[in-house]
Amino acid sequence: DVVMTQSPLSLPVTLGQPASISCRSSQSLVNSDGNTYLNWFQQRPGQSPRRLIYKVSNRDSGVPDRFSGSGSGTDFTLKISRVEAEDVGVYHCMQGTHWPWTFGQGTKVEIK
Amino acid sequence: EVQLVESGGGLVQPGGSLRLSCAASKFTFSSYWMGWVRQAPGKGLEWVAIINQDGSDRYYVDSLKGRFTISRDNAENSLYLQVNSLRAGDTAVYYCSRAGIPGSIDSWGQGTLVTVSS
Repeated sequence: DVVMTQSPLSLPVTLGQPASISCRSSQSLVNSDGNTYLNWFQQRPGQSPRRLIYKVSNRDSGVPDRFSGSGSGTDFTLKISRVEAEDVGVYHCMQGTHWPWTFGQGTKVEIK
Repeated sequence: EVQLVESGGGLVQPGGSLRLSCAASKFTFSSYWMGWVRQAPGKGLEWVAIINQDGSDRYYVDSLKGRFTISRDNAENSLYLQVNSLRAGDTAVYYCSRAGIPGSIDSWGQGTLVTVSS
C-alpha cells in the first residue's frame, strides 16, 4: 500500500499567520491517465471530513482562496495564507491513484 | 446538496455482526462509485471498501477482506456494509462517502459509530 506521511502532526499557528502542511507518498501518485490524485480534507472538531483540494491544486467550491495546494510526484503541500479561527481542525491528505486509497496520519492545526 | 445518512451502528460483542446502511439523496445515486471510510477514536482515516455504479466491481482493504462486504441497492438509493467477526480494533466511526470524480471523495455522511466490546 502507498504510505502517506504528513508533517508536522501538530501545528500551532498565530491568527493571521501562514501555515504549511507537507504530505509525502511512498511512490509516485501520477496515474496512468496523467492525473495526480492527491486530495486534502479538513475535519473540524466533531465533524465529518470536508474536501478542500482535489488533483493536487483544485480548490472545491466554497473553499476560501487562502487555501492552496501544490506539489508533484511524491511531494505535496497544503498552505493556508492567513489562518483564521475557523481553520482549527485536522487536515488529512489522501491519495486516490493506487488502490487502496490511503490517508496521511492527519495534522492538527490549533491557534497559539 | 448531496445527503448521505448512515445508520446501523451500535455496541456489539466481539465476534458479532452488523449491517451498516447509508441512505443517499439529492443526487443520482446510480451514477457514482460509493465507499466506506472508517476512523477509530482519536485516529486517522482508513478506507474500508468501494463499489462501482452497478455493483459489479468492489475493492476492499486487504486486511478486511473476507469479513466486510460492501453492496448497494440502486432502486433504494442505498449503500450497505456487512461487517462480520467484529474485533475490538474495528471500533470506529464508519463514514459513507461518494467518489464524485476518480481518485477522490466529494461528499461524506455524518458517520455511524460501531463499538466492539464485551
